[in-house]
Amino acid sequence: GAGVSQSPSNKVTEKGKDVELRCDPISGHTALYWYRQSLGQGLEFLIYFQGNSAPDKSGLPSDRFSAERTGGSVSTLTIQRTQQEDSAVYLCASRFQAGTSTDTQYFGPGTRLTVL
Amino acid sequence: AQTVTQSQPEMSVQEAETVTLSCTYDTSESDYYLFWYKQPPSRQMILVIRQEAYKQQNATENRFSVNFQKAAKSFSLKISDSQLGDAAMYFCAVIQGAQKLVFGQGTRLTINP
Repeated sequence: GAGVSQSPSNKVTEKGKDVELRCDPISGHTALYWYRQSLGQGLEFLIYFQGNSAPDKSGLPSDRFSAERTGGSVSTLTIQRTQQEDSAVYLCASRFQAGTSTDTQYFGPGTRLTVL
Repeated sequence: AQTVTQSQPEMSVQEAETVTLSCTYDTSESDYYLFWYKQPPSRQMILVIRQEAYKQQNATENRFSVNFQKAAKSFSLKISDSQLGDAAMYFCAVIQGAQKLVFGQGTRLTINP
């Protein structure tokens, strides 16, 4: 009965390297969200997956950011050519019921990314 | 666009006393949902309480209750009998449809023993 899990918990990388962050949603949850939490910008929406529909990528800050969700379950957020301003906590959330906002988003513990 | 404002960056309260955290929001929608999330140092965002905008009755969860004023677009959180474990960042958020949560900037709550 695990909740949302994310890995790694912490990631330190050098500027210019690519990183991948992983999210395992709660089993059976059809919707998955990525958010970014940084000191300067607060909590920002990045991307939203709902079932087999095309993802809502409207929050991705640049084309260096991409995400995929395989088999309607696990999601990977990829940041290419990381910059220091990418340093933040990346939070993943999942939600059960499709097509309605009545269900709560449940969050994972986040991945703290530090770009040196 | 939806916006959420938390005007209190920091609050403190004595253990066992009551504290109220403020939140105002702006949305053009008539059907939406409001949430308070708690984020302790562990980083995990934990749902505290939620309110459906179409419900007039204020939501209550044990020691936590809200004062929802729809016309004023206000959604404050009251914590009664504050406990040391309540210390955390508290975020107010609004959602409409199945899309993204829009968060306020957060209020850091300190509990004084």
